[in-house]
Amino acid sequence: GEQVEQRPPHLSVREGDSAVIICTYTDPNSYYFFWYKQEPGAGLQLLMKVFSSTEINEGQGFTVLLNKKDKQLSLNLTAAHPGDSAVYFCAVRNNYAQGLTFGLGTRVSVFP
Amino acid sequence: GPKVLQIPSHQIIDMGQMVTLNCDPVSNHLYFYWYKQILGQQMEFLVNFYNGKVMEKSKLFKDQFSVERPDGSYFTLKIQPTALEDSAVYFCASSSDRVSAETLYFGSGTRLTVL
Repeated sequence: GEQVEQRPPHLSVREGDSAVIICTYTDPNSYYFFWYKQEPGAGLQLLMKVFSSTEINEGQGFTVLLNKKDKQLSLNLTAAHPGDSAVYFCAVRNNYAQGLTFGLGTRVSVFP
Repeated sequence: GPKVLQIPSHQIIDMGQMVTLNCDPVSNHLYFYWYKQILGQQMEFLVNFYNGKVMEKSKLFKDQFSVERPDGSYFTLKIQPTALEDSAVYFCASSSDRVSAETLYFGSGTRLTVL
């Protein structure tokens, strides 16, 4: 079945710098891709969902890139600020699988 | 935004006992999910539930597990009897539709420790 590898597991970022989290998946039939953010004590909050037909997606303070050739999904935090400190999860789904397949998560810490 | 509430946030129980994890999903959502995350491992799909029935379940959803949502109250996951390997964080989620790209709203999880 689908496997998702997420790296790095931890990321320390100076405020104002950028940071990249990468997920690599295995199933070429994967079609839906998600990034979730989990702040301490809170549930997973959806940052962005991406369809396989869209390669570049911009959100508020971040960009999501989908590289289907290499089966990679990346989250690029631009100009990090303290509110970006959280655990970030990627998740992948195809049309027939049960549920979402998650990465292990990346703990991001933004320091001044 | 919409919130999913999970009660309790932590639960400690002796092996062999029964435990019920409660989830208050987003109002007007129709699809409900449980995911399990063992410490240091990925979050994994357990089950989804719609219209009073289990729609899909994974191999992790053992015979000792059951789910229900009586009369629109809490969506619950019951484990009876519990085993040591059931120790994990259990996340509840809900969505308004089952379409593959539909947004799932997650709770903050219940950490279950089986002694």
